[in-house]
Amino acid sequence: DVKVTQSSRYLVKRTGEKVFLECVQDMDHENMFWYRQDPGLGLRLIYFSYDVKMKEKGDIPEGYSVSREKKERFSLILESASTNQTSMYLCASTLSGTGTGELFFGEGSRLTVL
Amino acid sequence: AQRVTQPEKLLSVFKGAPVELKCNYSYSGSPELFWYVQYSRQRLQLLLRHISRESIKGFTADLNKGETSFHLKKPFAQEEDSAMYYCALSGKGSQGNLIFGKGTKLSVKP
Repeated sequence: DVKVTQSSRYLVKRTGEKVFLECVQDMDHENMFWYRQDPGLGLRLIYFSYDVKMKEKGDIPEGYSVSREKKERFSLILESASTNQTSMYLCASTLSGTGTGELFFGEGSRLTVL
Repeated sequence: AQRVTQPEKLLSVFKGAPVELKCNYSYSGSPELFWYVQYSRQRLQLLLRHISRESIKGFTADLNKGETSFHLKKPFAQEEDSAMYYCALSGKGSQGNLIFGKGTKLSVKP
């Protein structure tokens, strides 16, 4: 079974703090993604990566950055958290080039910025 | 522009009633369409994909290219079907990233 693990399930941070969200997958997937999930807005893609040290902007990259130093790990960074970044963050992974569309998701990290 | 539209935020039906969750898409070319489901306190997971033409948990979905739709249907809803459902689209060369609709919350009442 593919396992995508997000290190923090719940975080509470203050405005201006730097926030790291970590995601690890154990199935040697090339592609990894960070989505943001908000009620009424669905899932919106923040960043994705199709290889180590590679990254591509998604639909809402502003205020975020990512790091992919190892194939299994994809980190989302909020350099200076703001209240409008309070959300559920979902990490996902998939094999490259399969076109099957099956993303494997983590359980999510719920971030509250005060 | 690529877009997925789920017109209903909330759909409420009684147990045993038929259910149809609507999904329309905008894409020039041949898209791949999917339905994902998120049960309470569980992670988001794939329910079905149009290329498989399969029935999962009694749900089916047919891709209608003429109407650009991919509606999810089940003839007899069960309480355990209550969940959040997302329709998603994958385009060619997309590197696997999906475009999701805003989701429909299905509530099946006893």
